[in-house]
Amino acid sequence: QVTLKESGPVLVKPTETLTLTCTVSGFSLSNVRMGVSWIRQPPGKALEWLAHIFSNDEKAYRTNVKSRLTISKDTSKSQVVLTMTNMDPVDTGTYYCARSSQGQWQAYDYWGQGAPVSVSS
Amino acid sequence: DIQMTQSPSSLSASVGDGVTITCRASQSVSTYLNWYQQKPGKAPKLLISAASNLQSGVPSRFSGSGAGTDFTLTISSLQPEDFATYYCQQSNSFPRTFGQGTKVEIK
Repeated sequence: QVTLKESGPVLVKPTETLTLTCTVSGFSLSNVRMGVSWIRQPPGKALEWLAHIFSNDEKAYRTNVKSRLTISKDTSKSQVVLTMTNMDPVDTGTYYCARSSQGQWQAYDYWGQGAPVSVSS
Repeated sequence: DIQMTQSPSSLSASVGDGVTITCRASQSVSTYLNWYQQKPGKAPKLLISAASNLQSGVPSRFSGSGAGTDFTLTISSLQPEDFATYYCQQSNSFPRTFGQGTKVEIK
């Protein structure tokens, strides 16, 4: 059974750094056919893709926030970590991690439940 | 970045109606186009991958078509559980991008 679960702070202050962890089970982060992305959703707005990490540790980032993002993984712990620096109130929203699969043409076939993040002083 | 544009942004329909949602990419994504359904407070759910590949467990009233830059999601006969927001997403290249969503509401 494939599951993903996000964890991290619910509240961060402006200018602080956000660190979110996605713990996966039911598949390995070393599987060459799988990858994990972080996707966020501001309240009442559309989904925004943020970052992706491949099994070989290659990474990809959203263009307009690339300088603020770092994605990494610890295969032995089955965890993918996203850090976002210099948080701003516009970064408030629900942050999801999701698995992409070559077998599904890189679609996101499994999602975490989402982690709410509020940026406020 | 590839821009994904959905239309309409919202629609009102009755149970039993057929509806079509359109997604247009700013450049070709081949058939690397996926559709998700999202209900309030829940994570998105993959409905269709590769433009027309219906996911296991998804009712056959859902169908997808298209290639290149123009895609459609069709619900042949709306059921009460289908009232939700639908997103298209391209997985042809990075950065990945989503459409702005189409909210399907009860008339």
